[in-house]
Amino acid sequence: ETGVTQTPRHLVMGMTNKKSLKCEQHLGHNAMYWYKQSAKKPLELMFVYNFKEQTENNSVPSRFSPECPNSSHLFLHLHTLQPEDSALYLCASSQGTVYGQYFGPGTRLTVT
Amino acid sequence: AQSVTQLGSHVSVSEGALVLLRCNYSSSVPPYLFWYVQYPNQGLQLLLKYTTGATLVKGINGFEAEFKKSETSFHLTKPSAHMSDAAEYFCAVSDPGTGNQFYFGTGTSLTVIP
Repeated sequence: ETGVTQTPRHLVMGMTNKKSLKCEQHLGHNAMYWYKQSAKKPLELMFVYNFKEQTENNSVPSRFSPECPNSSHLFLHLHTLQPEDSALYLCASSQGTVYGQYFGPGTRLTVT
Repeated sequence: AQSVTQLGSHVSVSEGALVLLRCNYSSSVPPYLFWYVQYPNQGLQLLLKYTTGATLVKGINGFEAEFKKSETSFHLTKPSAHMSDAAEYFCAVSDPGTGNQFYFGTGTSLTVIP
């Protein structure tokens, strides 16, 4: 595997379920990010981790819980979501800012 | 914080015509500048970037962009549009030496008319 991978690619969950999204980067980068992309809305930064430490939390509801066990892996734990949480969730990584970010293919989440 | 403005949320061009997607940023200090492309149900892919040096940068798929400090702009161009260029394009900036923060524009959807 190369680049940034995300699993699953598609997820349908009920409002009472608990699920997790996984992201893995094979680029040796020091920072990882979660973004939410909803239809007709700007890209929303959710969380940033730098060397496993969370450096940004953009007022994300507590039903989204990130975890970064090491600089290559990032998880987003989901519980008691709302229908408005349905979106494409994108993971990205970077080595500082000079080289830009590398994005995974995203997880299309549908909350029913 | 930086802000990034992409003028025109939707742009339509004919196949073979010039593509021009506009991006302006707010910083008084020259930032790092990026363009990304996103195809449906996919992640964002880096098209090109400007950090230092030559202000005209070339990227993948025949795209290029020019950094104009006086205009705080970084417009994306391609001389001749191809059907496969139809996608969403995002401009992004970051401040050199200030951690890992990137600021994105709201995106421009490019339609190519055959």
